[in-house]
Amino acid sequence: EVQLVQSGAEVKKPGESLKISCKGSGYSFTSYWIGWVRQMPGKGLEWMGIIYPGDSDTRYSPSFQGQVTISADKSISTAYLQWSSLKASDTAMYYCARRDETLGWGWDYWGQGTLVTVSS
Amino acid sequence: DIQMTQSPSSLSASVGDRVTITCRASQSISSYLNWYQQKPGKAPKLLIYAASSLQSGVPSRFSGSGSGTDFTLTISSLQPEDFATYYCQQSYSTLGAFGGGTKVEIK
Repeated sequence: EVQLVQSGAEVKKPGESLKISCKGSGYSFTSYWIGWVRQMPGKGLEWMGIIYPGDSDTRYSPSFQGQVTISADKSISTAYLQWSSLKASDTAMYYCARRDETLGWGWDYWGQGTLVTVSS
Repeated sequence: DIQMTQSPSSLSASVGDRVTITCRASQSISSYLNWYQQKPGKAPKLLIYAASSLQSGVPSRFSGSGSGTDFTLTISSLQPEDFATYYCQQSYSTLGAFGGGTKVEIK
């Protein structure tokens, strides 16, 4: 069974760093792109960036370039999203998802989401 | 960047109604269009890929159509479990944008 399991909810202060994770199982982790999506409270879905764990090819949305870092450790089938200095505006739910070429590049499996709250 | 515009942003419907949601791309995306359902507090779920292909396990009351710039998601007979927010998303480009969403509410 394909699964993406994300790390738990985080409460942080502005200026702190954070790294959240997304662990894949039940499929060849190195053969599918993994993407990260932000959903701010009551709002829609925004792509932040994607990574191909096979070779760590990473692409960022212009809105998030320089604001976050996406990485992957294929030895443990885990992708990461990290911030070096959080802002209150980073408060959101973050989802990882898998992209499938055979489904027209649709995103077929999603993690359960990681809620990040940034507050002083 | 390719922009995706959904309409309506919300609608009220009754169980058994036929519901149609439209999505327009700012330029041609061929058939690289996907539809997702999201319920409160849950991750999005892929319903339709490549404009008209039903994802495995999705009920046949959901269907998609269109190509180029104009697309439609249809729910043939709305069920209680279908009340949710629906998003289109283009996969023509690598980080294909989502539409703004359509919230389907109970009438």
